[in-house]
Amino acid sequence: SQTIHQWPATLVQPVGSPLSLECTVEGTSNPNLYWYRQAAGRGLQLLFYSVGIGQISSEVPQNLSASRPQDRQFILSSKKLLLSDSGFYLCAWLDRGNTEAFFGQGTRLTVV
Amino acid sequence: GENVEQHPSTLSVQEGDSAVIKCTYSDSASNYFPWYKQELGKRPQLIIDIRSNVGEKKDQRIAVTLNKTAKHFSLHITETQPEDSAVYFCAASIVNSGYALNFGKGTSLLVTP
Repeated sequence: SQTIHQWPATLVQPVGSPLSLECTVEGTSNPNLYWYRQAAGRGLQLLFYSVGIGQISSEVPQNLSASRPQDRQFILSSKKLLLSDSGFYLCAWLDRGNTEAFFGQGTRLTVV
Repeated sequence: GENVEQHPSTLSVQEGDSAVIKCTYSDSASNYFPWYKQELGKRPQLIIDIRSNVGEKKDQRIAVTLNKTAKHFSLHITETQPEDSAVYFCAASIVNSGYALNFGKGTSLLVTP
């Protein structure tokens, strides 16, 4: 069966520090991968999506970047975090044979 | 891009009553409309979905209706229970964006005993 791993679960980082969040998917190949951010009490905002290795599309301009070095690995990064980067970050994957998206457990990032 | 509007933002009902959440979307090419339930601090979980070739779908106490002409879809929960309390998100697929789901802002549902 397919599973999605996302880590870490929680993270507290100072302003100006770098960020790296990792997401991996097992049990499927060539998935579509996504990064969403959820601010406290708000909806899910699509940040990046990827339809293949090295293919990244950004939905909103921001202080973050994404990379897909391997088929089932999706990384969210920042060189210098801002206070406004705080939030709940969710990785998701979609099997192209279906349209249902499955979410990772999420990373709660607090920038202090 | 796709814009999904969701109402209401908060909804309080008594146990046993029905709850209805409504969403509209802007991209007429969207063809997949899921609903996710998110409990506090947890990941969203799919509860029901509907595709554009269907007008209504039901799964026990949960039903979803879709009006493609008007570009709106709704979630109906009957005989609500306290464990139904959560945040519910509607979404629409963006055909030209890697099938990414564009979410509404969510509805916080509270079911009081």
